[in-house]
Amino acid sequence: DAGVTQSPTHLIKTRGQQVTLRCSPKSGHDTVSWYQQALGQGPQFIFQYYEEEERQRGNFPDRFSGHQFPNYSSELNVNALLLGDSALYLCASSLVVSGLRVGELFFGEGSRLTVL
Amino acid sequence: DQQVKQNSPSLSVQEGRISILNCDYTNSMFDYFLWYKKYPAEGPTFLISISSIKDKNEDGRFTVFLNKSAKHLSLHIVPSQPGDSAVYFCAVTFRDDKIIFGKGTRLHILP
Repeated sequence: DAGVTQSPTHLIKTRGQQVTLRCSPKSGHDTVSWYQQALGQGPQFIFQYYEEEERQRGNFPDRFSGHQFPNYSSELNVNALLLGDSALYLCASSLVVSGLRVGELFFGEGSRLTVL
Repeated sequence: DQQVKQNSPSLSVQEGRISILNCDYTNSMFDYFLWYKKYPAEGPTFLISISSIKDKNEDGRFTVFLNKSAKHLSLHIVPSQPGDSAVYFCAVTFRDDKIIFGKGTRLHILP
């Protein structure tokens, strides 16, 4: 049973560029959440996708956008990259039943983004 | 404004002794509390949780205690083992809202 998979694992971009990160949820999960973990910090909630729609959003600018596909996989896009966007981006999947999340989050290993 | 505070960035404990990790939260509306464990180069993994209607939950060597009046929870690991060396994140949520994480505490188990 494959867990949450993310790609790429590492990438380097320059300021002003755009990046797309990808996530495949754990088998059977229908909800994907994205988190940003800066060095020395805990994961910060970016947004959550369920039924191909953004369900909740954290305190991140519109430069951060996402998408969920019919197979529940998801993408995180960041435009106009800033140095401060350098972080580990974590994808987490979960299962929602009747509007309530069932169980804990399952995280992928993350995509480490470095912005130069 | 941090809603979840883990005031100890790191903690060292002798192997075999008890490890106690602490966490404070600010909003009494939170109704579900979790602990996650993270090894280097891996994503966080769920460890144990507790609902606001309980004050204690045990799972093997791990016990989480919740003090709602103090808005405080703690994770006890006994006995501590070398494989317990990791970063531990406290997390909170309300119903189906987003999960909010603390900054983490790095636990070192000394031989």
